[in-house]
Amino acid sequence: AQKVTQAQTEISVVEKEDVTLDCVYETRDTTYYLFWYKQPPSGELVFLIRRNSFDEQNEISGRYSWNFQKSTSSFNFTITASQVVDSAVYFCALSDPYGQNFVFGPGTRLSVLP
Amino acid sequence: ETGVTQSPTHLIKTRGQQVTLRCSSQSGHNTVSWYQQALGQGPQFIFQYYREEENGRGNFPPRFSGLQFPNYSSELNVNALELDDSALYLCASSDSTGLRIGELFFGEGSRLTVL
Repeated sequence: AQKVTQAQTEISVVEKEDVTLDCVYETRDTTYYLFWYKQPPSGELVFLIRRNSFDEQNEISGRYSWNFQKSTSSFNFTITASQVVDSAVYFCALSDPYGQNFVFGPGTRLSVLP
Repeated sequence: ETGVTQSPTHLIKTRGQQVTLRCSSQSGHNTVSWYQQALGQGPQFIFQYYREEENGRGNFPPRFSGLQFPNYSSELNVNALELDDSALYLCASSDSTGLRIGELFFGEGSRLTVL
């Protein structure tokens, strides 16, 4: 069975601090996709990144970076120099090799305080 | 480029009633999927439609059904509503071909309350 675990329910940081959101997944597929989505207070989930299971290269996009480690089934997300606008619920998700049948984690609520 | 729109945004029903939720996909997208998000939880996959055919389903009973139309808009129907059906229902559209595979574009959701 596929499963995504986000052990951190809520995190609070002060602006400009770095913060890492953890994600651990389980799947029997040898090929799969991993994702991060952001859900701001408005409710609409926003796509942040997709990672193919064959590509373990870490990725950086501005203040965001992602660390994919297949050996530990983890796909962690780091925000550097956090800002108040980063406050949201962040979801890690797993899909099948066709980018379908998504399984979302329970989410981590990040509060960035000024 | 028009985004994903859902209607209605809020609705209240009573146990045993039926509800239809609607979704207009983003222009150019051929796949639509529906999710149920209970308060404080992650979205749970209900089903997915590709070119008017259901091609994936999560662990939801048959009273949850759907349709996708030729213009790729979609409906989610829930019969015999139960109290536990109270949730935010999210529609997501995507392009199942090409480089953006798996990248979901979500609407703002329809919040259903069952009394």
